[in-house]
This record gives sequence, C-alpha cells and structure tokens, in this order.
Amino acid sequence: GAVVSQHPSRVICKSGTSVKIECRSLDFQATTMFWYRQFPKQSLMLMATSNEGSKATYEQGVEKDKFLINHASLTLSTLTVTSAHPEDSSFYICSALPGVRSPLHFGNGTRLTVT
Amino acid sequence: RKEVEQDPGPFNVPEGATVAFNCTYSNSASQSFFWYRQDCRKEPKLLMSVYSSGNEDGRFTAQLNRASQYISLLIRDSKLSDSATYLCVVNRNNNDMRFGAGTRLTVKP
Repeated sequence: GAVVSQHPSRVICKSGTSVKIECRSLDFQATTMFWYRQFPKQSLMLMATSNEGSKATYEQGVEKDKFLINHASLTLSTLTVTSAHPEDSSFYICSALPGVRSPLHFGNGTRLTVT
Repeated sequence: RKEVEQDPGPFNVPEGATVAFNCTYSNSASQSFFWYRQDCRKEPKLLMSVYSSGNEDGRFTAQLNRASQYISLLIRDSKLSDSATYLCVVNRNNNDMRFGAGTRLTVKP
C-alpha cells in the first residue's frame, strides 16, 4: 500500500520551455505533498509543501513564480518548472503522507535535463 | 544549528562489520522518526520507522533517545548491498517533516 506515482521519470527540454511534473497518490488521499530537488552528490532539498485546496508553502530561496505548484485534488499535485534554464536541471522528487505520524512515501523522481 | 543533523560520512566498512549512525534533532516536540535509504540516482525508500521502545528488523536496529534527542541506526553483518545513503527523517509536528543531509555508507568486500 501507500504508492506514490510520479510522471514523467525523465524529461529533456529546451531552455525557455515549461515542464510539468505530476505526483499522484494511488491508494490513499494526501492532503499534504512535498516537492524536493536533488543535485548530483548533494542531499535532498525541500522546495515546497503542497496543500490540497490552498497555496503551497515555499522554502526560502525557492521562487514561487518559477516553480508553480497546484494541488487540486487529494490525490494529485503538480509542479511546473516555468521558463526552464540549464541550471534547473536536477532530480525532482515528490512525496506524500498517508496520515498523521505516517512515514513519507516517495515518487520515483523525475530527472530533468534542460538543454 | 540545523533541525536534523547527521554525520555525512563516508563510512567505509568491510563486509560483515557492524556500523552505527546517529541523528540528532533540535525540536523536543518532534513526534515520529524514520530511517530511509537512498541509492544513487533513486528516490529514498523507507527502511524503518523508529519507535520509542526501539525496534529491530533483521540486521537493522533503530533506537530513539528522547532525553538526548537523537535516533540511531545499527546495521549488523553488513552486506555489499547495504551501500547507500541513509537519511534520518523527523516529523516535528503536524506533518512538518525534516530531513538530515544523509550518511553515506560504503561496504567493501
């Protein structure tokens, strides 16, 4: 149980385009989902907390106008990287909580390469 | 001071060795605790939750010390496949999850 599906797993796009990443909780409802970024050989960095039906909470230094988060339903959160640049190339991972005090369950990540 | 701190390592140990990692947390109201492992270029996967009384799963033992505000992970009889980065995750309160930076373990033949 507690499966989180993330799509796409890999995307290559040109500089200036926008990329949407989907995160779905398949067998549970998640009022809260989290988005992370990880650069090679570095630790996971929390970008934002996505709350169903309300605005996301962004971590310091993360541009909310560049990384648009929409959590329109209890099973789906999306991250859109707008006007992507090569420095946005990274591994993006989402996670969701099935319930209070539950462990986080992670999507399998999206490897974004901006050329 | 970071919310959750881990020794980044790397820990290089021979097969069969016992190795232990600690993770300290700063918020005394933290409610739940977990260890994850992350392999290179993959997402973190839950290794085990950490319960107040301590818990064991095969070769892995997790313990919680609320008084000193740390959790630990002990791996016995290390295998080559245990090589990974081990992440400590703390649920501060109301699903405010905090991560350690991870401890890198390499088990060598």
